[in-house]
Amino acid sequence: ILNVEQSPQSLHVQEGDSTNFTCSFPSSNFYALHWYRWETAKSPEALFVMTLNGDEKKKGRISATLNTKEGYSYLYIKGSQPEDSATYLCAFMNDYKLSFGAGTTVTVRA
Amino acid sequence: DVKVTQSSRYLVKRTGEKVFLECVQDMDHENMFWYRQDPGLGLRLIYFSYDVKMKEKGDIPEGYSVSREKKERFSLILESTSTNQTSMYLCASSPGLAAPSGQYFGPGTRLTVT
Repeated sequence: ILNVEQSPQSLHVQEGDSTNFTCSFPSSNFYALHWYRWETAKSPEALFVMTLNGDEKKKGRISATLNTKEGYSYLYIKGSQPEDSATYLCAFMNDYKLSFGAGTTVTVRA
Repeated sequence: DVKVTQSSRYLVKRTGEKVFLECVQDMDHENMFWYRQDPGLGLRLIYFSYDVKMKEKGDIPEGYSVSREKKERFSLILESTSTNQTSMYLCASSPGLAAPSGQYFGPGTRLTVT
């Protein structure tokens, strides 16, 4: 099982504030990096699949960057809203299998 | 929208019982996956299948088996449950092993073994 680490484990954000958190992964044999959002009582939902070093992806107020050479990805949430409260999972793809981090749980306070 | 459904949301079983967890997807995806999720750990891959009747071991296959007789259905079988198999089980599917869309997940089955 490949070592994929996410930090922090959890964070609380005031509504309207922006935040970001990290996913680190092995820098060798990189194929793709996935981000998922998992809301309570729902299914995990894919946010981004990133494959190229320097890639930046955006979906609404959420964006992600990728550095494959140093093995990290950042997820940013701009102007957090209560509906952004969820656990955000990253997963490193190697040999067609995904290795997941333990997630960052974001709680947005109104 | 892709839909992945799982047969039960919650299940309670006694040690030694046999358990079938069923997963069905409605988008004709080639690939299906079974994961378990435990507190403080990431999702861990148990088994996956890239075609009907094909299966591959994931990272933690011990104590589990799978069946894929039809393209849309992937079953996880726990032949004789033990308390360390208490967990959240998630099924997923994808159109390709490296699909740019990522994997589509079901809602999960929370299994408690007493």
